[in-house]
Amino acid sequence: EVQLVESGGGLVKPGGSLRLSCAASGFTFSSYSMNWVRQAPGKGLEWVSSISSSSSYIYYADSVKGRFTISRDNAKNSLYLQMNSLRAEDTAVYYCARNSKLLHDAFDIWGQGTMVTVSS
Amino acid sequence: QSVLTQPPSVSAAPGQKVTISCSGSSSNIGNNYVSWYQQLPGTAPKLLIYDNNKRPSGIPDRFSGSKSGTSATLGITGLQTGDEADYYCGTWDSSLSAGDVVFGGGTKLTVL
Repeated sequence: EVQLVESGGGLVKPGGSLRLSCAASGFTFSSYSMNWVRQAPGKGLEWVSSISSSSSYIYYADSVKGRFTISRDNAKNSLYLQMNSLRAEDTAVYYCARNSKLLHDAFDIWGQGTMVTVSS
Repeated sequence: QSVLTQPPSVSAAPGQKVTISCSGSSSNIGNNYVSWYQQLPGTAPKLLIYDNNKRPSGIPDRFSGSKSGTSATLGITGLQTGDEADYYCGTWDSSLSAGDVVFGGGTKLTVL
């Protein structure tokens, strides 16, 4: 079964750091670009960052640029998001999602999400 | 404020048809493929439509998509109570930093 499972969320104080992980299974992880998408409570989807299959291309939303770092370990079938200098507005459910080149980069597989709460 | 504009809510009776619009610009919808995502309450988003009008395996043909110029539309026929969800359009935007993905603000569908 094709699956993405996020972990690492939790409660952190403003200015703190957190590292999210996304474990992939059921497909050749190293062949796909991957993304992080977040959803603040009661709000819509916001794309956060993407990384190409070999990590050659990395992009960030302006709202997280300079504070978040996306990375991947193809040997471990894992995607990561290092989040530093966290702010209250970063509070959200964070989803990892797979790009499908076959589907012209639609996000065809999503994880169940992990909640990040930034509060003092 | 989302880059792509969707109506906040739509509603219709069971068995009826509903459409959800998604308006953008030449830098996003006008020159890129549009996808649609369904998010049932308390769950992760799910791909519903890709390449403007194609359905992934397992998505019933009650769901359809179309695109014209800088706007896209999701159509749902034969509405069921199980279709109550939030629907999001998404695409890539070339006016922002390279590689940016944009979503609409989402539309809540109520099946009366």
